[in-house]
Amino acid sequence: GQQLNQSPQSMFIQEGEDVSMNCTSSSIFNTWLWYKQDPGEGPVLLIALYKAGELTSNGRLTAQFGITRKDSFLNISASIPSDVGIYFCAGPNNAGNMLTFGGGTRLMVKP
Amino acid sequence: NAGVTQTPKFRVLKTGQSMTLLCAQDMNHEYMYWYRQDPGMGLRLIHYSVGEGTTAKGEVPDGYNVSRLKKQNFLLGLESAAPSQTSVYFCASHTGKPEAFFGQGTRLTVV
Repeated sequence: GQQLNQSPQSMFIQEGEDVSMNCTSSSIFNTWLWYKQDPGEGPVLLIALYKAGELTSNGRLTAQFGITRKDSFLNISASIPSDVGIYFCAGPNNAGNMLTFGGGTRLMVKP
Repeated sequence: NAGVTQTPKFRVLKTGQSMTLLCAQDMNHEYMYWYRQDPGMGLRLIHYSVGEGTTAKGEVPDGYNVSRLKKQNFLLGLESAAPSQTSVYFCASHTGKPEAFFGQGTRLTVV
């Protein structure tokens, strides 16, 4: 089946720093999704990407759909303590009825 | 608008006991999913449904059964719980576009 590999697995940064994480796959995806999971909560959708090369922003978050359609990147600018959590990339299969998730990037922010 | 609601939120079972987790969504979504989340392994799909009366196996279906008798409800059953089923379980739903909405999770411990 399809697999998504996220890196890094965890990051510990200083408040105010920029953050970059990525997600790669051996197969092509037609949609990339980025989710954030706060401690003790379910994942919440941050950004959805639908076209190769697309760059989309949501506040301090920016995500890009890789040209090869096998990768995606998420950047967070000027991190704040509430950015702490686990960030997941996800993509649907061709039929659109199954969503595969990466293993997540755990972000920790030091005030 | 409650979104996706999971019950119970916490449960402790003895090995061999059975239980049912309930997921209810009030968004008229066709697609519903059950995932389990284990440390370092991201979210893995157990079973899913593409509409009322339908179910299908996901990535890790063994030991679980599901039913979708009503469009708004998706039930996950454990017939004979095992310690390996200790996990956090998430239900999700969507309309057909892959942006899934998640519940808050059920933390299950099997002793």
